[in-house]
Amino acid sequence: QVQLVQSGAEVKKPGASVKVSCKASGYTFTNYYIHWVRQAPGQGLEWMGIINPSGGSTTYAQKFQGRVTMTRDTSTSTVYMDLSSLSSEGTAVFYCARGGLEIKTPFDSWGQGTLVTVSS
Amino acid sequence: EIVLTQSPGTLSLSPGERATLSCRASQSVKSSYLAWYQQKPGQAPRLLIYGASNRATGIPDRFSGSGSGTDFTLTISRLEPEDFAVYYCQHYGSSPVTFGGGTKVEIK
Repeated sequence: QVQLVQSGAEVKKPGASVKVSCKASGYTFTNYYIHWVRQAPGQGLEWMGIINPSGGSTTYAQKFQGRVTMTRDTSTSTVYMDLSSLSSEGTAVFYCARGGLEIKTPFDSWGQGTLVTVSS
Repeated sequence: EIVLTQSPGTLSLSPGERATLSCRASQSVKSSYLAWYQQKPGQAPRLLIYGASNRATGIPDRFSGSGSGTDFTLTISRLEPEDFAVYYCQHYGSSPVTFGGGTKVEIK
Protein backbone atom coordinates (compact mmCIF):
# COMPACT_ATOMS: atom_id res chain seq x y z
CA GLN A 1 0.00 0.00 0.00
CA VAL A 2 1.05 3.59 -0.53
CA GLN A 3 2.96 4.98 2.43
CA LEU A 4 4.67 8.27 3.12
CA VAL A 5 6.80 8.18 6.26
CA GLN A 6 8.21 11.44 7.55
CA SER A 7 11.14 12.18 9.81
CA GLY A 8 10.67 12.89 13.49
CA ALA A 9 9.88 16.02 15.44
CA GLU A 10 12.44 18.82 15.58
CA VAL A 11 13.14 21.72 17.93
CA LYS A 12 14.87 24.70 16.36
CA LYS A 13 15.91 28.17 17.46
CA PRO A 14 14.68 31.27 15.62
CA GLY A 15 16.78 31.92 12.57
CA ALA A 16 17.75 28.29 12.14
CA SER A 17 16.87 25.92 9.30
CA VAL A 18 15.11 22.57 9.34
CA LYS A 19 15.14 19.70 6.86
CA VAL A 20 12.20 17.30 6.87
CA SER A 21 12.23 14.03 4.95
CA CYS A 22 9.39 12.05 3.42
CA LYS A 23 10.10 8.45 2.35
CA ALA A 24 7.69 6.94 -0.14
CA SER A 25 6.86 3.28 -0.65
CA GLY A 26 4.22 1.12 -2.25
CA TYR A 27 4.22 2.83 -5.64
CA THR A 28 6.53 4.05 -8.40
CA PHE A 29 8.18 7.06 -6.76
CA THR A 30 8.97 8.99 -9.93
CA ASN A 31 5.42 8.83 -11.28
CA TYR A 32 3.67 11.00 -8.69
CA TYR A 33 4.17 14.60 -7.63
CA ILE A 34 4.76 15.33 -3.95
CA HIS A 35 3.38 18.42 -2.20
CA TRP A 36 4.28 19.96 1.15
CA VAL A 37 1.61 21.47 3.42
CA ARG A 38 2.07 23.52 6.58
CA GLN A 39 -0.33 23.63 9.53
CA ALA A 40 0.26 26.00 12.44
CA PRO A 41 -1.19 24.97 15.82
CA GLY A 42 -4.99 25.19 15.75
CA GLN A 43 -4.93 26.61 12.23
CA GLY A 44 -5.80 25.49 8.72
CA LEU A 45 -3.81 23.95 5.90
CA GLU A 46 -1.34 25.99 3.87
CA TRP A 47 0.26 24.78 0.64
CA MET A 48 4.00 25.32 0.45
CA GLY A 49 4.94 23.86 -2.89
CA ILE A 50 5.35 20.85 -5.14
CA ILE A 51 8.17 18.73 -6.48
CA ASN A 52 8.25 16.40 -9.44
CA PRO A 53 10.26 13.40 -8.21
CA SER A 54 11.08 12.43 -11.77
CA GLY A 55 13.01 15.49 -12.91
CA GLY A 56 13.24 17.38 -9.63
CA SER A 57 11.43 20.48 -10.87
CA THR A 58 9.71 22.53 -8.21
CA THR A 59 7.10 25.24 -7.75
CA TYR A 60 6.89 27.12 -4.47
CA ALA A 61 4.16 29.23 -2.93
CA GLN A 62 5.07 32.89 -3.04
CA LYS A 63 4.99 33.13 0.75
CA PHE A 64 7.84 30.64 1.06
CA GLN A 65 9.89 31.66 -1.99
CA GLY A 66 13.50 32.19 -1.03
CA ARG A 67 13.15 30.23 2.22
CA VAL A 68 12.09 26.77 1.05
CA THR A 69 13.93 24.20 -1.02
CA MET A 70 12.44 20.87 -2.05
CA THR A 71 14.68 18.11 -3.32
CA ARG A 72 14.48 14.40 -3.92
CA ASP A 73 16.66 11.31 -3.88
CA THR A 74 15.38 8.74 -6.34
CA SER A 75 17.73 6.06 -5.02
CA THR A 76 15.90 6.06 -1.68
CA SER A 77 12.46 7.30 -2.86
CA THR A 78 12.73 10.21 -0.48
CA VAL A 79 11.69 13.82 -0.80
CA TYR A 80 13.15 16.58 1.39
CA MET A 81 11.82 19.96 2.43
CA ASP A 82 14.37 22.46 3.70
CA LEU A 83 13.01 25.61 5.36
CA SER A 84 15.35 28.37 6.46
CA SER A 85 15.08 31.51 8.61
CA LEU A 86 12.57 29.98 11.00
CA SER A 87 10.70 32.56 13.04
CA SER A 88 9.48 32.31 16.62
CA GLU A 89 5.93 32.11 15.21
CA GLY A 90 7.01 29.35 12.88
CA THR A 91 6.01 26.34 14.99
CA ALA A 92 3.94 24.07 12.80
CA VAL A 93 3.30 20.56 11.58
CA PHE A 94 4.59 19.91 8.09
CA TYR A 95 2.98 17.24 5.90
CA CYS A 96 4.09 15.70 2.65
CA ALA A 97 1.27 14.52 0.42
CA ARG A 98 1.13 12.58 -2.83
CA GLY A 99 -0.43 14.22 -5.83
CA GLY A 100 -0.98 12.44 -9.10
CA LEU A 101 0.53 11.76 -12.47
CA GLU A 102 -0.25 15.37 -13.36
CA ILE A 103 0.06 18.56 -11.35
CA LYS A 104 -3.69 19.13 -11.19
CA THR A 105 -4.63 16.19 -8.99
CA PRO A 106 -5.86 15.90 -5.40
CA PHE A 107 -3.71 14.67 -2.54
CA ASP A 108 -4.60 11.02 -2.07
CA SER A 109 -2.01 9.98 0.53
CA TRP A 110 -0.38 11.96 3.32
CA GLY A 111 2.57 11.49 5.60
CA GLN A 112 1.98 11.40 9.33
CA GLY A 113 3.26 14.94 9.78
CA THR A 114 6.41 16.36 11.36
CA LEU A 115 6.15 18.87 14.20
CA VAL A 116 8.76 21.59 14.05
CA THR A 117 8.89 23.64 17.23
CA VAL A 118 10.64 27.01 17.01
CA SER A 119 11.70 28.31 20.37
CA SER A 120 14.60 30.19 21.87
CA GLU B 1 -4.99 33.13 -6.29
CA ILE B 2 -8.35 31.49 -5.64
CA VAL B 3 -9.62 32.16 -2.13
CA LEU B 4 -11.95 29.56 -0.62
CA THR B 5 -14.34 30.59 2.14
CA GLN B 6 -15.98 27.85 4.19
CA SER B 7 -19.10 28.19 6.26
CA PRO B 8 -20.14 27.78 8.92
CA GLY B 9 -17.00 27.82 11.01
CA THR B 10 -18.51 25.33 13.42
CA LEU B 11 -21.48 23.01 12.99
CA SER B 12 -23.01 21.49 16.14
CA LEU B 13 -25.05 18.41 15.35
CA SER B 14 -26.09 15.09 16.85
CA PRO B 15 -25.24 11.64 15.52
CA GLY B 16 -27.74 10.62 12.86
CA GLU B 17 -28.33 14.19 11.69
CA ARG B 18 -27.49 15.57 8.27
CA ALA B 19 -24.51 17.91 7.87
CA THR B 20 -24.26 20.46 5.08
CA LEU B 21 -20.93 22.26 4.65
CA SER B 22 -20.34 25.10 2.22
CA CYS B 23 -17.27 26.21 0.28
CA ARG B 24 -17.37 29.38 -1.80
CA ALA B 25 -14.63 30.32 -4.26
CA SER B 26 -13.53 33.89 -5.00
CA GLN B 27 -13.87 33.18 -8.72
CA SER B 28 -15.41 30.47 -10.82
CA VAL B 29 -13.45 27.21 -10.72
CA LYS B 30 -13.63 24.01 -12.71
CA SER B 31 -15.46 21.38 -10.73
CA SER B 32 -12.76 18.95 -11.74
CA TYR B 33 -10.38 20.65 -9.37
CA LEU B 34 -12.35 20.91 -6.12
CA ALA B 35 -11.70 18.45 -3.28
CA TRP B 36 -12.78 17.89 0.30
CA TYR B 37 -10.65 16.51 3.15
CA GLN B 38 -11.42 15.32 6.66
CA GLN B 39 -8.98 15.88 9.50
CA LYS B 40 -9.24 14.45 13.00
CA PRO B 41 -7.15 15.73 15.93
CA GLY B 42 -3.54 14.60 15.72
CA GLN B 43 -4.01 13.05 12.30
CA ALA B 44 -3.16 13.95 8.75
CA PRO B 45 -5.98 15.04 6.46
CA ARG B 46 -7.78 12.35 4.46
CA LEU B 47 -9.13 12.80 0.96
CA LEU B 48 -12.92 12.38 0.86
CA ILE B 49 -14.12 13.91 -2.40
CA TYR B 50 -12.34 14.98 -5.59
CA GLY B 51 -13.64 16.55 -8.77
CA ALA B 52 -16.37 18.11 -6.62
CA SER B 53 -18.49 14.96 -6.48
CA ASN B 54 -16.33 11.82 -6.74
CA ARG B 55 -15.77 9.81 -3.59
CA ALA B 56 -12.19 8.74 -2.95
CA THR B 57 -11.38 5.07 -2.46
CA GLY B 58 -12.95 3.61 0.65
CA ILE B 59 -15.10 6.62 1.50
CA PRO B 60 -18.63 5.67 2.67
CA ASP B 61 -21.54 6.73 0.52
CA ARG B 62 -22.99 8.91 3.30
CA PHE B 63 -20.44 11.48 2.09
CA SER B 64 -21.39 13.33 -1.07
CA GLY B 65 -20.15 16.43 -2.85
CA SER B 66 -21.89 18.77 -5.23
CA GLY B 67 -21.69 22.21 -6.76
CA SER B 68 -20.20 24.18 -9.60
CA GLY B 69 -18.86 27.60 -10.45
CA THR B 70 -18.19 29.30 -7.12
CA ASP B 71 -20.41 27.31 -4.74
CA PHE B 72 -19.68 23.80 -3.54
CA THR B 73 -21.22 21.63 -0.84
CA LEU B 74 -20.16 18.61 1.17
CA THR B 75 -23.08 16.66 2.63
CA ILE B 76 -22.89 13.95 5.25
CA SER B 77 -26.28 12.27 5.10
CA ARG B 78 -26.30 10.74 8.58
CA LEU B 79 -23.50 11.60 10.98
CA GLU B 80 -21.67 8.70 12.53
CA PRO B 81 -19.59 9.19 15.71
CA GLU B 82 -16.37 8.98 13.67
CA ASP B 83 -17.47 11.83 11.39
CA PHE B 84 -16.97 14.54 13.99
CA ALA B 85 -13.89 16.29 12.69
CA VAL B 86 -12.69 19.32 10.72
CA TYR B 87 -13.39 19.46 6.99
CA TYR B 88 -11.44 21.44 4.42
CA CYS B 89 -12.18 22.21 0.81
CA GLN B 90 -9.30 22.58 -1.63
CA HIS B 91 -8.74 23.94 -5.11
CA TYR B 92 -5.93 22.14 -6.97
CA GLY B 93 -6.47 23.37 -10.51
CA SER B 94 -3.82 26.07 -10.48
CA SER B 95 -0.85 27.34 -8.53
CA PRO B 96 -1.02 28.12 -5.71
CA VAL B 97 -3.11 25.25 -4.44
CA THR B 98 -5.46 26.73 -1.86
CA PHE B 99 -7.51 25.44 1.06
CA GLY B 100 -10.55 26.84 2.79
CA GLY B 101 -10.32 27.77 6.45
CA GLY B 102 -12.19 24.65 7.55
CA THR B 103 -15.50 23.73 9.14
CA LYS B 104 -15.50 21.94 12.47
CA VAL B 105 -18.33 19.45 12.90
CA GLU B 106 -18.81 18.94 16.62
CA ILE B 107 -21.15 16.86 18.73
CA LYS B 108 -24.13 18.82 20.01
